[in-house]
Amino acid sequence: NAGVTQTPKFRILKIGQSMTLQCTQDMNHNYMYWYRQDPGMGLKLIYYSVGAGITDKGEVPNGYNVSRSTTEDFPLRLELAAPSQTSVYFCASSSPLGVTSTDTQYFGPGTRLTVL
Amino acid sequence: RKEVEQDPGPFNVPEGATVAFNCTYSNSASQSFFWYRQDCRKEPKLLMSVYSSGNEDGRFTAQLNRASQYISLLIRDSKLSDSATYLCVVNIRNTGFQKLVFGTGTRLLVSP
Repeated sequence: NAGVTQTPKFRILKIGQSMTLQCTQDMNHNYMYWYRQDPGMGLKLIYYSVGAGITDKGEVPNGYNVSRSTTEDFPLRLELAAPSQTSVYFCASSSPLGVTSTDTQYFGPGTRLTVL
Repeated sequence: RKEVEQDPGPFNVPEGATVAFNCTYSNSASQSFFWYRQDCRKEPKLLMSVYSSGNEDGRFTAQLNRASQYISLLIRDSKLSDSATYLCVVNIRNTGFQKLVFGTGTRLLVSP
């Protein structure tokens, strides 16, 4: 199993450009998440999904959109990129949490985005 | 009060030392607890789950104190490769959806 994969690894955008960050998991997890992590800071949840066709906002959803048409894929769309969106973006997946005490999230390697 | 709080450190220790990190959480209904490790510019990776009775994995020991709402991680015989940021993670139910809340991490630097 590849686990959680993300593309691209790095990207530089100009202000106002748009892009889609790709995330795929092969663990048949229902739950998927997008986080951002600014330098020296903790993870902030952007959006999450509990299954295909179901998404919801996290703590910091403004400026982003998501869709979940399949169990495997959970792309994150940035519209009108701004310098404040410069960050590292991590995708994660999990089984439904809380069913067992060991249910937890598994992360992709991240996408490093710079907006200039 | 933050949902999960950790001392950011850094903790500077020599090789072979024993070091302990604590983490406090605010939601008394939390049921699952974890320690993750994050290397610089890498993704967080699960280090170990934390069980009520405490658990050990090699040089790492995790403890849970529900009464005081804190979790600890003890690292014995520190190695250079243990240098990383350690994230305390708590499962919290939020309006029916259970989510993991990540602490901001405690940085550990192990020196020769």
